[in-house]
Amino acid sequence: AQSVSQHNHHVILSEAASLELGCNYSYGGTVNLFWYVQYPGQHLQLLLKYFSGDPLVKGIKGFEAEFIKSKFSFNLRKPSVQWSDTAEYFCAASTGTASKLTFGTGTRLQVTL
Amino acid sequence: NAGVTQTPKFQVLKTGQSMTLQCAQDMNHNSMYWYRQDPGMGLRLIYYSASEGTTDKGEVPNGYNVSRLNKREFSLRLESAAPSQTSVYFCATCRGTGSYEQYFGPGTRLTVT
Repeated sequence: AQSVSQHNHHVILSEAASLELGCNYSYGGTVNLFWYVQYPGQHLQLLLKYFSGDPLVKGIKGFEAEFIKSKFSFNLRKPSVQWSDTAEYFCAASTGTASKLTFGTGTRLQVTL
Repeated sequence: NAGVTQTPKFQVLKTGQSMTLQCAQDMNHNSMYWYRQDPGMGLRLIYYSASEGTTDKGEVPNGYNVSRLNKREFSLRLESAAPSQTSVYFCATCRGTGSYEQYFGPGTRLTVT
């Protein structure tokens, strides 16, 4: 069965620090990959997505992610975090059939001033 | 456009009571989904509807039923609520099966005592 792993459960960074959140998936076929963000008290919003093509994808608010097929990874990066990036971040994968998403357990990011 | 709406926002039930969570979308999307979000477990798919008139089980369907009333509406029913169903429930929609992202509603926070 498909699974998604996020190894960082809680990350605390100071403002302006660089961010990298890990995401690994287990599925050998064609896979679509997503990063969603959930700000406190809000619903999930799409940060970025990878379907095909350039493995480096850019999303909203300065976030980017790199798809490395050989490592089954889709890590999220941001060069300089802001206090407003405090949120929970979810990596997710779908195989295209019915577009069902399998989510990782999430990473809670806390950015301090 | 409201996007994806869910009612109610909050609900408290006693064990054994029943209720229906409502989801509606004005995005003209074909596919709709119900997820539950629990701390440390990410989001897990309960049921989905790839298109009007079809429904299928997801990862955690036990204790739930769904109805795809029409293209716009997809309801989730708890026939006999249990404390293990205390969770935040999210509805999501997607243009269709394939390489498309999902759009999420604001969620329903359900507590079963």
